[in-house]
Amino acid sequence: IAGITQAPTSQILAAGRRMTLRCTQDMRHNAMYWYRQDLGLGLRLIHYSNTAGTTGKGEVPDGYSVSRANTDDFPLTLASAVPSQTSVYFCASRPRDTGELFFGEGSRLTVL
Amino acid sequence: GQNIDQPTEMTATEGAIVQINCTYQTSGFNGLFWYQQHAGEAPTFLSYNVLDGLEEKGRFSSFLSRSKGYSYLLLKELQMKDSASYLCAFMDSNYQLIWGAGTKLIIKP
Repeated sequence: IAGITQAPTSQILAAGRRMTLRCTQDMRHNAMYWYRQDLGLGLRLIHYSNTAGTTGKGEVPDGYSVSRANTDDFPLTLASAVPSQTSVYFCASRPRDTGELFFGEGSRLTVL
Repeated sequence: GQNIDQPTEMTATEGAIVQINCTYQTSGFNGLFWYQQHAGEAPTFLSYNVLDGLEEKGRFSSFLSRSKGYSYLLLKELQMKDSASYLCAFMDSNYQLIWGAGTKLIIKP
């Protein structure tokens, strides 16, 4: 692995189903983030984690949960997917001493 | 409150210069970022300004005025590959990034 990896890259999901988007980084960055990106809107923060063992809510956390059991992994779970959660999801990480975010390639999720 | 604004779309000609403006309002400020995002891809880092003035990096330059809550990204010698969305974001007092909606730049031959 080099950098930050997301899986799956694309998924079609029936409403009501549970879904976990995976995110793994090998850069030993402390902070990790989940964003959603919708047409005409900026990146909106769903949840974040400043360090392993801690998480926080962003701008649009409802319907989503995260965990940060270790430094490398930061999965995002949709407990019961709804059509409004159709979006492109980006995971990102940031080292402690800079503001630059490193992004994964994104996960395109369609909820029908 | 906090907000950030940038134009939705701009068009420019190959070989020319274009300036993309970004204005923001926030009570806490820890720097301003510009990212480039090609269609269907992840954003990639272009520049970071925390002090007033111009930062130059090849064909791209970024300017910041903290007192005016204003930044711009200047792209010179435009190439077709510069067609992309350009995202402006500031880092607030909690070290979280607040993003603009992005400016879609269309380059014409």
